[in-house]
Amino acid sequence: EVQLVESGGGLIQPGGSLRLSCTASGFTVSSNYMSWVRQAPGRGLEWVSVIYSGGVKYYADSVKGRFTISRDNSNNTLYLQMNSLRAEDTAVYYCARVYITIFGVVTWAFQHWGQGTLVTVSS
Amino acid sequence: EIVLTQSPATLSLSPGERATLSCRASQSVSSYLAWYQQKPGQAPRLLIYDASNRATGIPARFSGSGSGTDFTLTISGLEPEDFAVYYCQQRSNWPLTFGGGTRVEIK
Repeated sequence: EVQLVESGGGLIQPGGSLRLSCTASGFTVSSNYMSWVRQAPGRGLEWVSVIYSGGVKYYADSVKGRFTISRDNSNNTLYLQMNSLRAEDTAVYYCARVYITIFGVVTWAFQHWGQGTLVTVSS
Repeated sequence: EIVLTQSPATLSLSPGERATLSCRASQSVSSYLAWYQQKPGQAPRLLIYDASNRATGIPARFSGSGSGTDFTLTISGLEPEDFAVYYCQQRSNWPLTFGGGTRVEIK
């Protein structure tokens, strides 16, 4: 069974740093396309970052230069290092696995999601 | 950045009724559009990918259609568990973007 479990959220002051973790089971993170998606309280979904199986990374403009996505193959874990945090980064952060069809088509739709971890940036 | 506009913002319907949700893109996304369902306190659930393909385990009452800039998610007969918020998402261009959501509520 595929499972994603996020951790690392919490209350942090503006300008601070936080590292989120997403531990996967039931599949290999390094062989998949993995993303972070966030949702501010009472708001919609916002894509944050993606890492390809080959290691290519993309970021939303709103986090570029401040956030870094990475993975640890030995621990089958995805990370999001968040620096220079702002109030507008307050959100539930989800890790998600991109759906790849049995024919190998990368759909860029998110089939599996974690339960989310809340990051609150406030003084 | 491609902007996705969902309408209506809220849809008030009774169980058994047909729900029709719209998603309009600011430029063509071909058929590269997905739909999700989200219930309070839960992560989103993938319903449809590439405009019209149901994800694994999704009931046949959910169907998607459209291409280019105009897309529709139809729920053919609302079940009690279908009352939720629905989002569309495009994968035609980076960055990936989501629509603002449509809330389907019990009338």
